Amino acid sequence: DAKTTQPNSMESNEEEPVHLPCNHSTISGTDYIHWYRQLPSQGPEYVIHGLTSNVNNRMASLAIAEDRKSSTLILHRATLRDAAVYYCILAGGNEKLTFGTGTRLTIIP
Amino acid sequence: GAVVSQHPSWVICKSGTSVKIECRSLDFQATTMFWYRQFPKQSLMLMATSNEGSKATYEQGVEKDKFLINHASLTLSTLTVTSAHPEDSSFYICSYDRGTASAFFGQGTRLTVV
Repeated sequence: DAKTTQPNSMESNEEEPVHLPCNHSTISGTDYIHWYRQLPSQGPEYVIHGLTSNVNNRMASLAIAEDRKSSTLILHRATLRDAAVYYCILAGGNEKLTFGTGTRLTIIP
Repeated sequence: GAVVSQHPSWVICKSGTSVKIECRSLDFQATTMFWYRQFPKQSLMLMATSNEGSKATYEQGVEKDKFLINHASLTLSTLTVTSAHPEDSSFYICSYDRGTASAFFGQGTRLTVV
């Protein structure tokens, strides 16, 4: 499985944008970049995914580097409810998801 | 979006007893579901892949006789922890097969074996 590297933790102030980085230098051409988040004592929640182009949805934006070796999840305006562990995962086609350690995001009121 | 319902959300059992966890897909038919385990302060670890109408596929190091998986219908998969011991205490989470789109996870079951 292609691996990802994320910072262990990040902090952000409430109502400010948050940029969560992910490095995946060994990504293959068929790997999608997936982001999930896990709130305390809950199952993971889908956030966004993409292949090559930047993606936007109601939760976040995903900016993918041109060489695809890195990506950034952008939360445009963080709220306290966004405090969670964010996982960046590579998976192609029907591959099962392999979770790394993720980034623990703390939102400061 | 699709909804996965997992039950119970928490359970406490005595050492040596068995516990069954149910995972239901409420608005779709899932040929394949995944079972994960998560210890405190750690990430999710895939335990097994549950295939409807056939035997589950277990990840290396996961005892198939201890963690019994049944996927008898397209909307229900169960995980039974047999002869549970304190070291089996963990957060168990199910997920449905996503294809190339997003995956949906159950709420998780916190198992405490005393």
